[in-house]
Amino acid sequence: DAGVIQSPRHEVTEMGQEVTLRCKPISGHDYLFWYRQTMMRGLELLIYFNNNVPIDDSGMPEDRFSAKMPNASFSTLKIQPSEPRDSAVYFCASSPNTGELFFGEGSRLTVL
Amino acid sequence: QQQVKQSPQSLIVQKGGISIINCAYENTAFDYFPWYQQFPGKGPALLIAIRPDVSEKKEGRFTISFNKSAKQFSLHIMDSQPGDSATYFCAASLDRSDYKLSFGAGTTVTVRA
Repeated sequence: DAGVIQSPRHEVTEMGQEVTLRCKPISGHDYLFWYRQTMMRGLELLIYFNNNVPIDDSGMPEDRFSAKMPNASFSTLKIQPSEPRDSAVYFCASSPNTGELFFGEGSRLTVL
Repeated sequence: QQQVKQSPQSLIVQKGGISIINCAYENTAFDYFPWYQQFPGKGPALLIAIRPDVSEKKEGRFTISFNKSAKQFSLHIMDSQPGDSATYFCAASLDRSDYKLSFGAGTTVTVRA
């Protein structure tokens, strides 16, 4: 069974551009999470969904960030406009409601 | 402000040695303590988890020790192998179904052959 699939794996963009990160969770998992990982702040939960509904977005840093989950097999994290301080590895994870998170391989974002 | 403090930041151990990573927390309401392992270029993966009603849990060469009164828990990697070289994160949450995990800063373990 395929794991969590994220795209793109690497993204380099210029400040002010829109960035869209994509995630396909594991089939049958009810929960989907977006995390950000940086050296300074470690792993931070940005937002999570249950059955496609956003449950907690208190970790979203500011209005430039938005996330959607239009169906059970797809989610996006959008940054508009992007800034250099958004440079990080963004992880999508899903869970079948067992407490265990299954992470994708991440999308490394560099904003110049 | 991290709710879970992890140390050391990094450690180097010889093959066959013991790796020890320590974590401390403040919130006494935390009830679920997982450890995640992350290899370079990969996402974290659950390694082992413990509840505070258990003082120790062992899975293969990996052991979690839990001290509720001290609000501390630790991961021991026995007979460390080069394949154990990774970054290890401790975490805590209110219970297993509370997905707002507070992660420690991570410990990079390097096992020298």
